[in-house]
Amino acid sequence: GIQVEQSPPDLILQEGANSTLRCNFSDSVNNLQWFHQNPWGQLINLFYIPSGTKQNGRLSATTVATERYSLLYISSSQTTDSGVYFCAVTGTASKLTFGTGTRLQVTL
Amino acid sequence: EAQVTQNPRYLITVTGKKLTVTCSQNMNHEYMSWYRQDPGLGLRQIYYSMNVEVTDKGDVPEGYKVSRKEKRNFPLILESPSPNQTSLYFCASSFGLPYSNEQFFGPGTRLTVL
Repeated sequence: GIQVEQSPPDLILQEGANSTLRCNFSDSVNNLQWFHQNPWGQLINLFYIPSGTKQNGRLSATTVATERYSLLYISSSQTTDSGVYFCAVTGTASKLTFGTGTRLQVTL
Repeated sequence: EAQVTQNPRYLITVTGKKLTVTCSQNMNHEYMSWYRQDPGLGLRQIYYSMNVEVTDKGDVPEGYKVSRKEKRNFPLILESPSPNQTSLYFCASSFGLPYSNEQFFGPGTRLTVL
């Protein structure tokens, strides 16, 4: 099956800093999503981005499907951005395959 | 509001006592699935359903049952729960198969089996 690797595994930022999270995948994909898992465990949809670039407020994402990676940019980070960020992909299977996540802590 | 709901959100039970976790979506989605999340193992698919009365096993189906009698509901049944089923469970749905459709997740059910 498809392998999904995320980096870095852990990230500590001061409030106001910018960051880039990376997701590499081992095969062609038809679907790629970014999620934020908040400290209460809820999975929040951030982006559905099989290719191209999207922006939503302070967050943006870019997927380069031909090179098998996606990037999530967080600008002007806030403490509420803390949590775990997951990339998940689907090739032709009937499921999402999740990466191992990037744990982000934003401090004051 | 378009959403996927799960109940209960938290449950502590004992080994062997049958339980059902409900999942409902109000988006007229055809596809629904269940995942469990465990430390170090990530999120793994338990079962999925492509439409009413159509279900299939995911990666970790042992110890679970599902049914899809109505399009909006997809309950997860643990006939005889065991401590290794202690986990965080998520229901998800989409218009069609995941390879071409955005998946929407419920808020999660935290289950502890003593």
